[in-house]
Amino acid sequence: SYVLTQPPSVSVAPGQTARITCGGNNIGSKSVHWYQQKPGQAPVLVVYDDSDRPSGIPERFSGSNSGNTATLTISRVEAGDEADYYCQVWDSSSDHPGYVFGTGTKVTVL
Amino acid sequence: EVQLVESGGGLVQPGGSLRLSCAASGFTFSSYEMNWVRQAPGKGLEWVSYISSSGSTIYYADSVKGRFTISRDNAKNSLYLQMNSLRAEDTAVYYCARDLGQLHDYWGQGTLVTVSS
Repeated sequence: SYVLTQPPSVSVAPGQTARITCGGNNIGSKSVHWYQQKPGQAPVLVVYDDSDRPSGIPERFSGSNSGNTATLTISRVEAGDEADYYCQVWDSSSDHPGYVFGTGTKVTVL
Repeated sequence: EVQLVESGGGLVQPGGSLRLSCAASGFTFSSYEMNWVRQAPGKGLEWVSYISSSGSTIYYADSVKGRFTISRDNAKNSLYLQMNSLRAEDTAVYYCARDLGQLHDYWGQGTLVTVSS
């Protein structure tokens, strides 16, 4: 089955840039979506189709995807960005198609 | 406003059964594919099951295949998850999530299922 690997944690100072990677075999050929989840809350979509933002999501959130790595970038990090972040793809490569989530990354704002 | 409200969670013994429901409002439920996603305590997100808008296409994660059944009633704007032969490792918050072109654009707040004796 398809596996998505994220770093367990990323720490960043306010105003700096956080980069969260999502590694997968030839992930560049798939559409990658990113979700933000704060404690006790449901996930929220922050980037879809590699680099697009849903309405209401700040421009500080951006994404890219190439080769074996997709990246979520949070610019000018704020305290409110502290959360867990998950990448996601649809895997149709096997005879058991389905969604795959990354292992998740906890972003800590110092 | 899109709303998804899960219900039916609770404490169940290993080997037992539980049926989760998700009530949808604020959109044309019958036009959208739907999913169940779960999250064990302190762990990451795990996709559980998908159902097409008509119910004709269904997929399951290997971890629940043969034990869980997803269904929907478009007349009642409701999504269901029948869970049988429950195990301790099924303990999680279960979310229903609307599907929009291979992503989940709206999520409910979740319902907690605890499998324990």
